[in-house]
Amino acid sequence: SAVISQKPSRDICQRGTSLTIQCQVDSQVTMMFWYRQQPGQSLTLIATANQGSEATYESGFVIDKFPISRPNLTFSTLTVSNMSPEDSSIYLCSVETEDRVTGYTFGSGTRLTVV
Amino acid sequence: GNSVTQMEGPVTLSEEAFLTINCTYTATGYPSLFWYVQYPGEGLQLLLKATKADDKGSNKGFEATYRKETTSFHLEKGSVQVSDSAVYFCALSDGGGADGLTFGKGTHLIIQP
Repeated sequence: SAVISQKPSRDICQRGTSLTIQCQVDSQVTMMFWYRQQPGQSLTLIATANQGSEATYESGFVIDKFPISRPNLTFSTLTVSNMSPEDSSIYLCSVETEDRVTGYTFGSGTRLTVV
Repeated sequence: GNSVTQMEGPVTLSEEAFLTINCTYTATGYPSLFWYVQYPGEGLQLLLKATKADDKGSNKGFEATYRKETTSFHLEKGSVQVSDSAVYFCALSDGGGADGLTFGKGTHLIIQP
């Protein structure tokens, strides 16, 4: 299955600043997914990113706050903009496995703390 | 919309005990169902999956059967080990992979020696 490299693995940021998280896949994939895992909570889908088109955001998430780029079939970035302490979470990218049956592979996550 | 409900934790068991973690779902279509596991300090890993009714997923001694009549996908293991201590997430995918995953809240499992 695909191997995902996600960075940074963790960061501590000042409120009001922005952080860009990168996700690199070792094979071409059509769709990439970005999730948020708030402390002690489950994973929530933020958006789906297709190459060559705008990302599709889930209810409660907006492009101005979480802009996403998808310049090619192996790479995507998620930016957390104008951060507040409530944005402190683990952010994960994910891709569907090649056979479209096995499931989804996840990156190791970015642990973000906003102070 | 889609939703997944799983039993809240933490669940604490003794080694070699029988494990059941309940999971029920609501979906508009015919979803695929998954169990993911997150070991302490590690990323999310697929544990097992089932793609249609009556399918049984199994891995590492864990099993779950896709029950359409009860919209359930309960996770079971006959004899747990300390190394099974982790957070377990039930999830579904509806739409052939185009929509990502809907996760349950997760169940923290603690196995005591």
